[in-house]
Amino acid sequence: GQSLEQPSEVTAVEGAIVQINCTYQTSGFYGLSWYQQHDGGAPTFLSYNALDGLEETGRFSSFLSRSDSYGYLLLQELQMKDSASYFCAVLMTTDSWGKLQFGAGTQVVVTP
Amino acid sequence: GAGVSQSPSNKVTEKGKDVELRCDPISGHTALYWYRQSLGQGLEFLIYFQGNSAPDKSGLPSDRFSAERTGGSVSTLTIQRTQQEDSAVYLCASSLTQGGPSYEQYFGPGTRLTVT
Repeated sequence: GQSLEQPSEVTAVEGAIVQINCTYQTSGFYGLSWYQQHDGGAPTFLSYNALDGLEETGRFSSFLSRSDSYGYLLLQELQMKDSASYFCAVLMTTDSWGKLQFGAGTQVVVTP
Repeated sequence: GAGVSQSPSNKVTEKGKDVELRCDPISGHTALYWYRQSLGQGLEFLIYFQGNSAPDKSGLPSDRFSAERTGGSVSTLTIQRTQQEDSAVYLCASSLTQGGPSYEQYFGPGTRLTVT
């Protein structure tokens, strides 16, 4: 079957660095995406990794190791507005081309 | 341009009634997805339309759920004989797939369904 594991909650102070890990077990893996969702809001796309290594987008970076079936999202210089849920999602090619399988999400709480 | 829109934003219905939820994807997006999100939970995949291909209905929880996409654009998710466990936020997303799968989905604001 398909499964994604990520921590349920992470708490950190403003200015700190937070790493959200995601391990996955899926068939037909194509890449790993990350989405952010604020309370009451719609998920929004943050980043995508198809190849091993680090992708940097401003304060956010995402990493993928295909051999370890593992990725992470790194949030740097945390700000209060970063308090949100973060979802990893596997882009699959089997079963249904282009379908995303989402993890349960990690609630990030940023404190002053 | 306009994003994904959904209507209604909120729907309260009595147990046993049928409901229809509507999604207008971003113009030109070939793929459309429906998800369900219960309070504090992740996104549960329901159904996926890709161009003119047969939809992937593998996530529909029961035969009370159905969806259609007319003219490759607007989609309607129908829940028949609603149950209290159907209460959730129903999210629609669309993406542009050109020559390869799209990892970036654009989500609508969702419809909050409450079954009393």
